[in-house]
Amino acid sequence: QKEVEQDPGPLSVPEGAIVSLNCTYSNSAFQYFMWYRQYSRKGPELLMYTYSSGNKEDGRFTAQVDKSSKYISLFIRDSQPSDSATYLCASLNAGGTSYGKLTFGQGTILTVHP
Amino acid sequence: NAGVMQNPRHLVRRRGQEARLRCSPMKGHSHVYWYRQLPEEGLKFMVYLQKENIIDESGMPKERFSAEFPKEGPSILRIQQVVRGDSAAYFCASSPASGVTRNEQFFGPGTRLTVL
Repeated sequence: QKEVEQDPGPLSVPEGAIVSLNCTYSNSAFQYFMWYRQYSRKGPELLMYTYSSGNKEDGRFTAQVDKSSKYISLFIRDSQPSDSATYLCASLNAGGTSYGKLTFGQGTILTVHP
Repeated sequence: NAGVMQNPRHLVRRRGQEARLRCSPMKGHSHVYWYRQLPEEGLKFMVYLQKENIIDESGMPKERFSAEFPKEGPSILRIQQVVRGDSAAYFCASSPASGVTRNEQFFGPGTRLTVL
């Protein structure tokens, strides 16, 4: 079983839709949860991250973590064609011998069509 | 404000040759991480380094791969005697040593290695 599972999609939505991207994880030691956006043939770009459970909002993006169910979500409101990319969730255990090691999901390919 | 820099961006090697990938972290960052992205797979952690010190190399293949981050100069990921299975995108990330942003890893543009 992978430590972080993510549906690869692809996901196609019309412009203006609300997008929901999700991951599950199995390692209870994970404390930080990140979302990265990766455009084709580019490096991943950090969108936002949360510590432990809770919500975090940044503009059109909202990240949610539910540690009780080991569920990570990213919501994109008013989606734009420029949001078309691969979205990667990642988790981090900030303590112990795995400190610094990001564990990524497979990535979800999102297309927002005009 | 330059971000993480990697070079070369594209590298072609024949089987059996050596590949050297370089990474310069963001200004003010002293921690470097290397990840590999194989076709149709997610990013996989390889190694975590601080200046002159390997912190975690649990994701590095046991043979042919090595990494360093010297006191001066960029971090180097070295692959000896490359094989076709080494063809992938190699990404470097960096983070600061301390502070509230120490867990934020910023990625470079990657080096795409092709082994013929």
